[in-house]
Amino acid sequence: EAGVTQFPSHSVIEKGQTVTLRCDPISGHDNLYWYRRVMGKEIKFLLHFVKESKQDESGMPNNRFLAERTGGTYSTLKVQPAELEDSGVYFCASSLPGGGAEAFFGQGTRLTVV
Amino acid sequence: DAKTTQPPSMDCAEGRAANLPCNHSTISGNEYVYWYRQIHSQGPQYIIHGLKNNETNEMASLIITEDRKSSTLILPHATLRDTAVYYCIVRVYGANSKLTFGKGITLSVRP
Repeated sequence: EAGVTQFPSHSVIEKGQTVTLRCDPISGHDNLYWYRRVMGKEIKFLLHFVKESKQDESGMPNNRFLAERTGGTYSTLKVQPAELEDSGVYFCASSLPGGGAEAFFGQGTRLTVV
Repeated sequence: DAKTTQPPSMDCAEGRAANLPCNHSTISGNEYVYWYRQIHSQGPQYIIHGLKNNETNEMASLIITEDRKSSTLILPHATLRDTAVYYCIVRVYGANSKLTFGKGITLSVRP
């Protein structure tokens, strides 16, 4: 069975440009999470979808970040316009419905804003 | 903020047991202890979780003290591939809530 897949694996963009990250969760996983690690910092939670609904978006840094999960399948995270401090590794994770299920993480997208 | 504290690093010899400590003195009654690890440049990987009883799976064992204020992750026979950052996380069970990562502990397995 395929794991959590993230596209692209790397992205280098200029400040002010737009980038869209994609996450394909494991089939049947209603829960989908976005996290990121910026250089030298800890992994931080961004938001949590349950199917297509945003359950918790308390970690979204500002309104330049927009996450969607249309149809409750894959998710996208758009950064518009990108700033230098957005550089980091963005991880997606998914888990089965039901309490306390383990989260499976993708390999991450390394975003570099220059 | 993370509710756990871990030493920044430790090492062990290949083939020996690695015992990774974690303090979570403010853990609530409905919070479980989870362990994840991140091998260089990969996404975090689930290892094990528990409430109050000791747990074991194919990867590791988790020993939680009776007062639940601390726990130890045991890798019984560490290999070079176990070199990673290990995160101890407390999380409310049943809510599918977020994982709050701290700094973790860097385990270096030496040949």
